Amino acid sequence: EAQVTQNPRYLITVTGKKLTVTCSQNMNHEYMSWYRQDPGLGLRQIYYSMNVEVTDKGDVPEGYKVSRKEKRNFPLILESPSPNQTSLYFCASTDILAASYNEQFFGPGTRLTVL
Amino acid sequence: SQELEQSPQSLIVQEGKNLTINCTSSKTLYGLYWYKQKYGEGLIFLMMLQKGGEEKSHEKITAKLDEKKQQSSLHITASQPSHAGIYLCGADKTGANNLFFGTGTRLTVIP
Repeated sequence: EAQVTQNPRYLITVTGKKLTVTCSQNMNHEYMSWYRQDPGLGLRQIYYSMNVEVTDKGDVPEGYKVSRKEKRNFPLILESPSPNQTSLYFCASTDILAASYNEQFFGPGTRLTVL
Repeated sequence: SQELEQSPQSLIVQEGKNLTINCTSSKTLYGLYWYKQKYGEGLIFLMMLQKGGEEKSHEKITAKLDEKKQQSSLHITASQPSHAGIYLCGADKTGANNLFFGTGTRLTVIP
């Protein structure tokens, strides 16, 4: 089944404790992206990657890092989480080579709480 | 910065009623996407519109993009409780699949 998976689905942590949210897709997509969703602000892009070893900042990259060492994986790293990073996080991927304006496939979301 | 405005922010309808959700941009869009999200869950792709004047339908949901490619509407006919959720419009910033989203419309359908 074609899908984007995220782990963990739920995470409660404390300020300053480094964490990684993993994202993996099995569709051989070049493009992957991370979003955060907050009430009243909608979905905002954090980072995206056009291909392996190619990453770029989205609209709200501060406090986050990403890496793209393999095509299928795009982990989101919070080196020193703070309470304002409490949010619902989504990973997405799309095939940008097949045709223009392709559907983005979203993962199920990771609900992060930073105390 | 480019924004997408959705209206209304929330909508409560009786089952069986028709409804429309709007999505407006101040700039011409490369592509307009509609997604549905159940509360706290992932996004389900509904439709993508690319050309001015384009209209697509799936089951009881119809989406249209205006000729200027700045406004889209999502119309649900004979709503059902299964239609409840948050509807999000998203648009392509640059033609490179970097999407930005509206803040969503929360739909409640009362049986």
